[in-house]
Amino acid sequence: SQKIEQNSEALNIQEGKTATLTCNYTNYSPAYLQWYRQDPGRGPVFLLLIRENEKEKRKERLKVTFDTTLKQSLFHITASQPADSATYLCALPSGSARQLTFGSGTQLTVLP
Amino acid sequence: EPEVTQTPSHQVTQMGQEVILRCVPISNHLYFYWYRQILGQKVEFLVSFYNNEISEKSEIFDDQFSVERPDGSNFTLKIRSTKLEDSAMYFCASSGHTSGNTIYFGEGSWLTVV
Repeated sequence: SQKIEQNSEALNIQEGKTATLTCNYTNYSPAYLQWYRQDPGRGPVFLLLIRENEKEKRKERLKVTFDTTLKQSLFHITASQPADSATYLCALPSGSARQLTFGSGTQLTVLP
Repeated sequence: EPEVTQTPSHQVTQMGQEVILRCVPISNHLYFYWYRQILGQKVEFLVSFYNNEISEKSEIFDDQFSVERPDGSNFTLKIRSTKLEDSAMYFCASSGHTSGNTIYFGEGSWLTVV
């Protein structure tokens, strides 16, 4: 069955450093992969979508890579700030591609 | 920026009662969804809705659940005869026409069944 794993439940880093979060998947051949941010008690907020034919995508301080051979996506936040502290979710399409399957998320804490 | 709005933000209900959660999707979107998140667990897909009918549903979405678009703006999730295990945050979401388009989530309705 399809499975998504995100590297760790929690990640603490110092302000100004680069945070790197990992999403691995098995038994999937997704056409794209998405990253969302979720704050406590709030809904997921879309950050980036990367397609299977794209190796890398950037948006301001965010960078996502997608390696379909390794079945892995890396999500980087450069020059991290305490305001970046949140849970980051990896999501892949399933079913007819109108359904997203989410990973369990990585809780990032950026320490001042 | 357009957003998905949900009401109520929090509802407490007695076990066995019916609950209706309401959503106003983004106005030019055509696909509507309900997801749920039990406290401390993953966000899980429940159902997708397009062209006034269910297009996909998960195993969670059994006969206890139903969805409706009663007018041109609202999208509702009805849970009949609620159970304790239905306690969760329920997220409404919507997206545009192109497959793979961004899915925009509402802030959620927190349902507590007692």
